[in-house]
Amino acid sequence: QVQLVQSGAEVKKPGASMHVSCKASGYKFTLYYMHWMRQAPGQGLEWLGWINLYTGGTNYAQKFQGRVTMTRDTSISTTYLDLSSLTSDDSAVYYCARQEMGSGDWFFDLWGRGTLVNVSS
Amino acid sequence: SELTQPPSVSVAPGQTARITCVGNKIGGKSIHWYQQRPGQAPLLVVYNDRDRPSGIPERFSGSRSGNTATLTISRVEAGDEADYSCQMWDTTSGHHVIFGGGSKLTVL
Repeated sequence: QVQLVQSGAEVKKPGASMHVSCKASGYKFTLYYMHWMRQAPGQGLEWLGWINLYTGGTNYAQKFQGRVTMTRDTSISTTYLDLSSLTSDDSAVYYCARQEMGSGDWFFDLWGRGTLVNVSS
Repeated sequence: SELTQPPSVSVAPGQTARITCVGNKIGGKSIHWYQQRPGQAPLLVVYNDRDRPSGIPERFSGSRSGNTATLTISRVEAGDEADYSCQMWDTTSGHHVIFGGGSKLTVL
């Protein structure tokens, strides 16, 4: 079954770091980019960046530079998102979504179900 | 760059819903559309302005005119009630992704 399965909800203190995983199944992992988005309560989607699952290269949104790290483990078809120095503004549902290499444009045809991260003292 | 959507659109069952996405720098770029039901992940319903992924009903269609992209849902059903967001790959300053703020479609 083609799917992305994300890790469970996290509760973090301000200043801490979050670590979310996204496990792919049912397709060739390294033929895609994996993008990460987030959605704060009642807000629109916000893009954090992508990782090239073949090379491991990354491209982060300027807003998160220095605070975000995306990695992958091809042996288990899993992508990771790390975000440090958390504040309450980082409370959101975080989504992974794949983009096919060579698709000609950046759009996302498969999404994970989301991971809720709550940052609270 | 920004993508601007109306916060809400209302339509009666069986009628046609049109959701717009306006951006001052979308000329030459492709617009993609996602449906998001409450508590669920986004679902791609239109890509490259007007193409439909497999499994998406023909009732969903996309179009472009100048700086405005439009998602049209024909013969609206109760199950179409959801948030709809447009998205673009912005290359004007680096390479990044932007989303519209989303439009809540209410089926009356």
